[in-house]
Amino acid sequence: SQTIHQWPATLVQPVGSPLSLECTVEGTSNPNLYWYRQAAGRGLQLLFYSVGIGQISSEVPQNLSASRPQDRQFILSSKKLLLSDSGFYLCAASHTNTEAFFGQGTRLTVV
Amino acid sequence: AQSVTQLDSHVSVSEGTPVLLRCNYSSSYSPSLFWYVQHPNKGLQLLLKYTSAATLVKGINGFEAEFKKSETSFHLTKPSAHMSDAAEYFCVVSELTNAGKSTFGDGTTLTVKP
Repeated sequence: SQTIHQWPATLVQPVGSPLSLECTVEGTSNPNLYWYRQAAGRGLQLLFYSVGIGQISSEVPQNLSASRPQDRQFILSSKKLLLSDSGFYLCAASHTNTEAFFGQGTRLTVV
Repeated sequence: AQSVTQLDSHVSVSEGTPVLLRCNYSSSYSPSLFWYVQHPNKGLQLLLKYTSAATLVKGINGFEAEFKKSETSFHLTKPSAHMSDAAEYFCVVSELTNAGKSTFGDGTTLTVKP
């Protein structure tokens, strides 16, 4: 079965520091991969998606970037965090027109 | 373009009474529709999905949803609420032609009173 590993679970980072969140997928190959952010009391906003290695599409302008160095690895990064980057980040994987599977999320607090 | 509207941001019911969480969608093509549940600081768990088969879909934990194309709705129901059902619920639409990207509603917080 498909499993998504996402770490760390919680993270507190100072403003201006770099960020790297990692997501790996097991149990499937060639998935579509996604990074979502959930701000407090809000729904999930799609940040990035990838349909293959090295292929990244950004949905909203922001301070973050994403990379997919391997088929089942998806990384969310920032060079300098802003306070507004705080939130709950979820990695997801799916195949076209099937349900998405989600990791357990990372709670990022920028202080 | 696809979109999802969850009509209620908060729903409160008493334990043992029915649950109705409303969702309307907009899609240019035949969509797939999903309901997910999220407990605090947890990832999302799939409750059920509609992918152009039977319009009445049964999911886990006694939940079900009915796809009504004429009303562009996909409401989530449960005959009898349990305390453990208290959580956030998301309605999601996905299109084949959109790289499978999922669009989420803003969520409905379900509170279950004893």
